[in-house]
Amino acid sequence: AQKVTQAQTEISVVEKEDVTLDCVYETRDTTYYLFWYKQPPSGELVFLIRRNSFDEQNEISGRYSWNFQKSTSSFNFTITASQVVDSAVYFCALSEAGGGANNLFFGTGTRLTVIP
Amino acid sequence: AAGVIQSPRHLIKEKRETATLKCYPIPRHDTVYWYQQGPGQDPQFLISFYEKMQSDKGSIPDRFSAQQFSDYHSELNMSSLELGDSALYFCASSYGQKTNYGYTFGSGTRLTVV
Repeated sequence: AQKVTQAQTEISVVEKEDVTLDCVYETRDTTYYLFWYKQPPSGELVFLIRRNSFDEQNEISGRYSWNFQKSTSSFNFTITASQVVDSAVYFCALSEAGGGANNLFFGTGTRLTVIP
Repeated sequence: AAGVIQSPRHLIKEKRETATLKCYPIPRHDTVYWYQQGPGQDPQFLISFYEKMQSDKGSIPDRFSAQQFSDYHSELNMSSLELGDSALYFCASSYGQKTNYGYTFGSGTRLTVV
């Protein structure tokens, strides 16, 4: 069965600090996809990144970076030099391609508050 | 670029009433997904449609029904509303059934049942 765990319920950092959001997943599929979404206070879900199970390269996009490690089933998200606009709930999600499911399984989210 | 359009943005209904939520996918997207996000919860998959046929079903109550129309827009019909149905309802669309490409979500419909 698939499962996504975001152990950090809430994190507060001071502006310009770096912060890492943890995501650990479980799946029996060998082919799967991992995602991060941002949900700002306005409520919409904003797609940040998709990573497939065969691509373990880390990715950097501006102040955002992602560390995918299959050995530990983790897909962690780091924000460098955090800003107040980064305050949001961040969801990690999993999709299993091999099993035929076409829906996303979300973690419970991490609420990030960046204090000015 | 065009995004997924959901209407209405906000909806207030009384218990036992009926609500209809609409979703207009990105042009040329043929797959629509519905998710429900309760207060402080993560989004939960309800149902999806591919080429106007139901393709997958999650934790959708029997009081809810949905369909996808010939123009690929979708409607989620919710009857006998309960207080617990108060939630943010998201629609997402994709081209093809698999989530390989990732979803694009709409801005959601916030349903409040009083």
